[in-house]
Amino acid sequence: EVQLVESGGGLVQPGGSLRLSCAASGFSFSSYSMNWVRQAPGKGLEWLASISTRSNYIYYADSMKGRFTVSRDNAKNSLFLQLNSLRAEDTAVYFCARERDDFRDFDYWGQGTLVTVSS
Amino acid sequence: SYVLTQPPSVSVAPGQTARITCGGNNIGSLSVHWYQQRPGQAPVLVVYDDSARPSGIPERFSGSNSGNTATLTIGRVEAGDEADYYCQVWDTGSDHYVFGTGTEVTVL
Repeated sequence: EVQLVESGGGLVQPGGSLRLSCAASGFSFSSYSMNWVRQAPGKGLEWLASISTRSNYIYYADSMKGRFTVSRDNAKNSLFLQLNSLRAEDTAVYFCARERDDFRDFDYWGQGTLVTVSS
Repeated sequence: SYVLTQPPSVSVAPGQTARITCGGNNIGSLSVHWYQQRPGQAPVLVVYDDSARPSGIPERFSGSNSGNTATLTIGRVEAGDEADYYCQVWDTGSDHYVFGTGTEVTVL
């Protein structure tokens, strides 16, 4: 069974940093590109970043560039998102999602981890 | 950047058909995917590549895509279909994924 479990969310002050993790199981993690998507309270889905199987292709949403960094460790079946210079508007549930390269869709999602940016 | 526009809400009676549109410039040339998100849950892929259904998704869910509009159709709507629905594409021009604005489906 494919499982994606996010962790690392929590309360952080404006300007602070946080590192999110996504633990994958039930599939060959190193064979799939992975993504981060977030959802602010009461808002829609917002794509953040994509990382290819060997980390040689990385894409970011324009609004995230320079503050967020995506990475992965195939040996540990893990995906990461480093969040820096956090702002109140970054408050959201952050999801990791498995990408199917053939279709450019997201066939499995984690349950998400909540990041709250507040003083 | 590429923009996908959906109606904020659609209401439908049980047993009827719900149609959710997703508008984008020449979206017919792109592969469109649809997700269902129930409150407090993660999104679930219900239609991919315009009209294909993942395993386990009822045949009541179907999709089409042409010109500037893609459409998700839910036939014989049930109470359990109440959710937010999002369309999604890969914008080859910017190498970005794009989600639609989302549509809340209410079953009357």
